[in-house]
Amino acid sequence: KNQVEQSPQSLIILEGKNCTLQCNYTVSPFSNLRWYKQDTGRGPVSLTIMTFSENTKSNGRYTATLDADTKQSSLHITASQLSDSASYICVVSGGYGGSQGNLIFGKGTKLSVKP
Amino acid sequence: NAGVTQTPKFRVLKTGQSMTLLCAQDMNHEYMYWYRQDPGMGLRLIHYSVGEGTTAKGEVPDGYNVSRLKKQNFLLGLESAAPSQTSVYFCASSFRPGQGFDGYTFGSGTRLTVV
Repeated sequence: KNQVEQSPQSLIILEGKNCTLQCNYTVSPFSNLRWYKQDTGRGPVSLTIMTFSENTKSNGRYTATLDADTKQSSLHITASQLSDSASYICVVSGGYGGSQGNLIFGKGTKLSVKP
Repeated sequence: NAGVTQTPKFRVLKTGQSMTLLCAQDMNHEYMYWYRQDPGMGLRLIHYSVGEGTTAKGEVPDGYNVSRLKKQNFLLGLESAAPSQTSVYFCASSFRPGQGFDGYTFGSGTRLTVV
């Protein structure tokens, strides 16, 4: 069964500290992996998208890595800010569009940044 | 550009009532999707559409109907609401997903409570 597992479920860090969120997937075939940030009461917003051939991608203080061999990804947040408090969702696209246009979502990691 | 717009943002229904959620996008995307998000679970696909006049079932389609009469609009209907349909509903749209940039964009959500 295609699944995306994220850890930890929740995380509390102090402002200015770094953190790393993990994502393991069993989706096959694999097309791409995305990280989304979802603020409370808002829709998910894309942070990064990586295809099979990419192993790292940055978006400001966010850096995502991908190991397609071990089917693992991580999202590293540098010098955290209070505005980073949100849920971070790992999403895997399970193959070329075709008749299925959907993505497979992890349950998310809820990050709280404290002053 | 407004992106993906969902209306209404909030709604309370009584069991057995019907309603329609509207999603509109102005990015000329071919694909549109309806998801629901429940506490402790990842987003789950209800229905999707790969083009005007076409719809298909997703992971959790029971109790919902959809229509895509115009390319820019995707309607989600609940014919007889049940408390189990209390959730936050997200609409999304994209170009054909799978390879490269597909512009996958989410709306801000509709919070529906069925009492």
